[in-house]
Amino acid sequence: DAMVIQNPRYQVTQFGKPVTLSCSQTLNHNVMYWYQQKSSQAPKLLFHYYDKDFNNEADTPDNFQSRRPNTSFCFLDIRSPGLGDAAMYLCATSRDLGRGRAEQFFGPGTRLTVL
Amino acid sequence: SQQGEEDPQALSIQEGENATMNCSYKTSINNLQWYRQNSGRGLVHLILIRSNEREKHSGRLRVTLDTSKKSSSLLITASRAADTASYFCATDAGYGQNFVFGPGTRLSVLP
Repeated sequence: DAMVIQNPRYQVTQFGKPVTLSCSQTLNHNVMYWYQQKSSQAPKLLFHYYDKDFNNEADTPDNFQSRRPNTSFCFLDIRSPGLGDAAMYLCATSRDLGRGRAEQFFGPGTRLTVL
Repeated sequence: SQQGEEDPQALSIQEGENATMNCSYKTSINNLQWYRQNSGRGLVHLILIRSNEREKHSGRLRVTLDTSKKSSSLLITASRAADTASYFCATDAGYGQNFVFGPGTRLSVLP
């Protein structure tokens, strides 16, 4: 089945220790997104790729970086995690509707704990 | 901010009843999307309604869009315990603009 896969599902890191979260997709969608979702809050878009074009949201901290080496994979790097970065990180993909975004397909998320 | 409010923030109903959730936004949009999220899981897309559409149906779901009032509603008919989840609307104002989720409505359907 075509899907969006995130690894790991649970990640524990120490304060200040770099961590990388990964996302892969078999849908062949050209747009990939990373969201941060804190408890009982809405997902907040961090950045997205339109093919290889990287689009950073204005309020995404510099501590967050992303890489998309090919269509299928996208990585989220947190360079120096702080306690406030503990959250669920969601990856999503979508087609391009030409004008506007199509529906997004989400992975199950990676829950990040920072000790 | 592009996004306004969703209401109610929480809704508790009995199985078999209808559930209505509302979403308001502030800017012009290309489309508006509704998603469901079960606790601790990823989001699942429910319906996308374009700015030139007024109503869409999918099974027990009905979505309306009023662009003059910048609002949308999601109606779930004959609710089931399995409908218990958080429901989010999200607005798309096109590339170069933020894609923003509303704060969500937590729906509890009691058996």
